[in-house]
Amino acid sequence: DAGVIQSPRHEVTEMGQEVTLRCKPISGHNSLFWYRQTMMRGLELLIYFNNNVPIDDSGMPEDRFSAKMPNASFSTLKIQPSEPRDSAVYFCASSLGIGGSLQETQYFGPGTRLLVL
Amino acid sequence: DAKTTQPPSMDCAEGRAANLPCNHSTISGNEYVYWYRQIHSQGPQYIIHGLKNNETNEMASLIITEDRKSSTLILPHATLRDTAVYYCIVRVPTASGSARQLTFGSGTQLTVLP
Repeated sequence: DAGVIQSPRHEVTEMGQEVTLRCKPISGHNSLFWYRQTMMRGLELLIYFNNNVPIDDSGMPEDRFSAKMPNASFSTLKIQPSEPRDSAVYFCASSLGIGGSLQETQYFGPGTRLLVL
Repeated sequence: DAKTTQPPSMDCAEGRAANLPCNHSTISGNEYVYWYRQIHSQGPQYIIHGLKNNETNEMASLIITEDRKSSTLILPHATLRDTAVYYCIVRVPTASGSARQLTFGSGTQLTVLP
């Protein structure tokens, strides 16, 4: 298996522009997570999907952020408009079990490094 | 929510065993202890997890104390490629209570020295 695939790996954009990050989870996994990592705040969960349905988006920082999962093999995280404080590494992870399973193991993608100028 | 405490950094000589401690004194009876690591510029990587019994896989061993208030991750023969930040995580619910997220603390920066 190729693992979790994220694109692009690097993104540089100007403030105010729309940014779309993409994720392909591991085939057969039914849970997908979006995390953000910064030096100041470490790794933070943004949103979580189970069977393509958003379960918990309480970690999404504000309305400028939105995430979709139109099918089991694809998810997007969109920032519109982007701001310099959104600069971070964004990770996507997938898992086999439902979110409530104590034995769930999450597998992470390589991340997208976003720089907003 | 159960929290974890880890030393910020450790060194280990290449070829020797690396023993990484973690305290989780408020862990509840049905929460698992997970270990992940993050090599520089990569996504976190799952290593091992356990509930109460010691566990071993191809990467590491996990020793959990009988009272479950602490655990130790053991890399039996550390290599330079094991240099990474190691996170000890206890599964906790998300803010809405509808799912369980991984909450990453500061972790331990393990440096394997040649």
